[in-house]
This record gives sequence, structure tokens and C-alpha cells, in this order.
Amino acid sequence: AQRVTQPEKLLSVFKGAPVELKCNYSYSGSPELFWYVQYSRQRLQLLLRHISRESIKGFTADLNKGETSFHLKKPFAQEEDSAMYYCALISYNTDKLIFGTGTRLQVFP
Amino acid sequence: NAGVTQTPKFQVLKTGQSMTLQCAQDMNHNSMYWYRQDPGMGLRLIYYSASEGTTDKGEVPNGYNVSRLNKREFSLRLESAAPSQTSVYFCAGGQTQETQYFGPGTRLLVL
Repeated sequence: AQRVTQPEKLLSVFKGAPVELKCNYSYSGSPELFWYVQYSRQRLQLLLRHISRESIKGFTADLNKGETSFHLKKPFAQEEDSAMYYCALISYNTDKLIFGTGTRLQVFP
Repeated sequence: NAGVTQTPKFQVLKTGQSMTLQCAQDMNHNSMYWYRQDPGMGLRLIYYSASEGTTDKGEVPNGYNVSRLNKREFSLRLESAAPSQTSVYFCAGGQTQETQYFGPGTRLLVL
């Protein structure tokens, strides 16, 4: 079965601390994985995708096939990073996005 | 260029009432989607439309109907609302799966 698991509902850190938002997946083959972000009172938007291997707003995510993980990391959290983060993959049989349950990141000053 | 817009922003319904959630996009996307967002459940696909005039069921279609009358608009209808349909509904449009642009959402409360 294809599944995205985000084990943490809430992650709270202080400004300047490192952040790691966990995402594990279940998938047969090579998945296409993404991180979406939803800031307060804003719409959901794509943050980054694993195929582009990019860093957006200081965030990076590396696909680890051995651990079936795609954790989102940032070395120094900022208050403006506070948001809801969703990990997602594209289903190989429906070709549609499957989202995780989301993790709310709170960055305190 | 508004992107993806949704109306209404908020709605309160009584059980059994019907309503239509409207979504429009001005980005010339072929595909449009309706999701619901629930605490602890993430976003789940209700229906999608790969092109004008076509619609298909997603993960949680029961209790909903959709209509893609033209390329710009994709509406979601609740014929007989139930409390279990209390949720935040997001419409999205995109040319590819990963480049979906989401609307601002509609908060629906069914009493």
C-alpha cells in the first residue's frame, strides 16, 4: 500500500534551533516526493520536491530509500517558518497526490 | 491574475441542507481537484477533473458530486450535508500533479 506517515502532529522549537520534520513513506518502486507548506491564513503551496534537490527558504529534504524517509530539515529555524507542513507522494496507480497527516511547526522567539 | 479562487470562504449548514462550493482558476490549467482537510487526516482527494467535461472519483467521493462545465470552473456539491462533512475544502488546479496551485479554502460546518 502507498502511504505517507508524518509521526509528529506538532513540533515546537526555539528560533535558531535546528528543525527536522519527519516523513516516512510506503511505496513500491521509486517515489516522487514533495513537501507542501501552509502558513497561517494562506493557501497550501509547494515547498520543494525531491527530484530537484533544491533548497527553499533554507529547507532541504533528502530521499533515503533505505530508511524510506524524506525528512525536511533546516539548520536554523526562524519564526516565519511556523506553519503546517505536509509530505506527499504521487501514487503510481492513480497518478494523484497522497498527503501525510501534516506536522505543525511552531517556532518560538 | 487571481490564481485559484473559492467561494464561499465560510458556510454553516444544517444536516440535510444542500450547497455548492465554487472554484475558479485563471491559470489555464487542464486539471482541477477538490480536497478536504481534516485534523489528523491530512488532505484527501474527493474528486478531480483531468480536463473540461471529465470528472473522476478520488479517495473520498461519497456524499459529493462535482461539475466541470468549462475549463475555468469546477464546483463541488453536497446534496444532503452531514456533520461528517464538516471540514475545510480546498480546490486546486494544475498542469501536473506536483504543480498544483491551491485555493484559499472553504470552511464548512454542518450542524
